[in-house]
Amino acid sequence: AQSVTQLDSHVSVSEGTPVLLRCNYSSSYSPSLFWYVQHPNKGLQLLLKYTSAATLVKGINGFEAEFKKSETSFHLTKPSAHMSDAAEYFCVVSGGFKTIFGAGTRLFVKA
Amino acid sequence: GAGVSQSPSNKVTEKGKDVELRCDPISGHTALYWYRQSLGQGLEFLIYFQGNSAPDKSGLPSDRFSAERTGGSVSTLTIQRTQQEDSAVYLCASSLRGLAGDSVTQYFGPGTRLLVL
Repeated sequence: AQSVTQLDSHVSVSEGTPVLLRCNYSSSYSPSLFWYVQHPNKGLQLLLKYTSAATLVKGINGFEAEFKKSETSFHLTKPSAHMSDAAEYFCVVSGGFKTIFGAGTRLFVKA
Repeated sequence: GAGVSQSPSNKVTEKGKDVELRCDPISGHTALYWYRQSLGQGLEFLIYFQGNSAPDKSGLPSDRFSAERTGGSVSTLTIQRTQQEDSAVYLCASSLRGLAGDSVTQYFGPGTRLLVL
């Protein structure tokens, strides 16, 4: 069985400050993990993915995530938020022919 | 190369009518997924096709929903006797194949926004 939990439904940061979006997962398999971003009225765009290679994964737009098996976490971070980062972010776990999406975290960036 | 395409981009219909939504996956991708995203909600899995295997229909909300995938490529999602609660964005995604690793990375189309009046 698999599940994914995004611990915050909303996160608000000031422009230029760090971003942390939290994701915990459970999986009976060796999972593949993904973060997708969805800007308003846009489709989903792949930010980054972990597929059992390096545990620290770098994605587009300065985002990165670290796979921590001991903590079953895959938190998304960015050192400095930009206004254009305001969007909905989805954590996804995939394995054993099943893909589960988290409920999403909406990121607000204040000027 | 071309990404996943969906048509129409927007569809307005009257309650009780049937609608068909189309998805063209990335060429060579054997796995195809349909999701529904209601206003302000996350993604709800509907159905999954993998090659010539029987599709996983476990997410279809009612028997009014059905999907086909012809020739292992294009897919059509059909909603019969539409209801107002069917109003949502319907997203299609494809991946190289449905196994683990890089091959499960899903690439999404822009979606079809369905409004049932």
